Amino acid sequence: RKEVEQDPGPFNVPEGATVAFNCTYSNSASQSFFWYRQDCRKEPKLLMSVYSSGNEDGRFTAQLNRASQYISLLIRDSKLSDSATYLCVVKGSNDYKLSFGAGTTVTVRA
Amino acid sequence: GAVVSQHPSWVICKSGTSVKIECRSLDFQATTMFWYRQFPKQSLMLMATSNEGSKATYEQGVEKDKFLINHASLTLSTLTVTSAHPEDSSFYICSAREPRRNTEAFFGQGTRLTVV
Repeated sequence: RKEVEQDPGPFNVPEGATVAFNCTYSNSASQSFFWYRQDCRKEPKLLMSVYSSGNEDGRFTAQLNRASQYISLLIRDSKLSDSATYLCVVKGSNDYKLSFGAGTTVTVRA
Repeated sequence: GAVVSQHPSWVICKSGTSVKIECRSLDFQATTMFWYRQFPKQSLMLMATSNEGSKATYEQGVEKDKFLINHASLTLSTLTVTSAHPEDSSFYICSAREPRRNTEAFFGQGTRLTVV
């Protein structure tokens, strides 16, 4: 079983729509959770950390469910520039290693 | 934010040759850097953890003699793909840990290696 699993998508949505997707992780001892954004042929860039109580950053809302071991990302009022692959990233408790999901591709169309 | 520079951004080489990729932390000292490989439509896979002044720690299944890592200074780690084969063609990305921000990873721009 992969450490981090994501629905690959693609999620094809019109501008202004809301899109949400999840990520599950296998290690219950995981401590830190992130969403990274990766554009085609580019390096990943941190979108937001995910906190236990859930957090919001502008149009982006992240949730963590430790009991079910999943993380979610919701994008409201989608923009064309939101088109990218969103990587779910999980960090264990004992080291600095990060485990990456394969990414969820979102395409926002005009 | 912290800046990590990776060079070259792309390289094409012949089978059997070696390729060196550099990863530099430009505005902070990185005692630990990480090297990843990403195949199309797949996740980043950690290859090795590079520790300044000591040997790198390789992940299971990664050949240390094929992927040579050197972390000679606090701002530079290098990955050398030796005797490259077409199956080594991939996107290689480094990241560095900024000590003041323990959890966030800062990535280099990545190197797209094509072995022909």
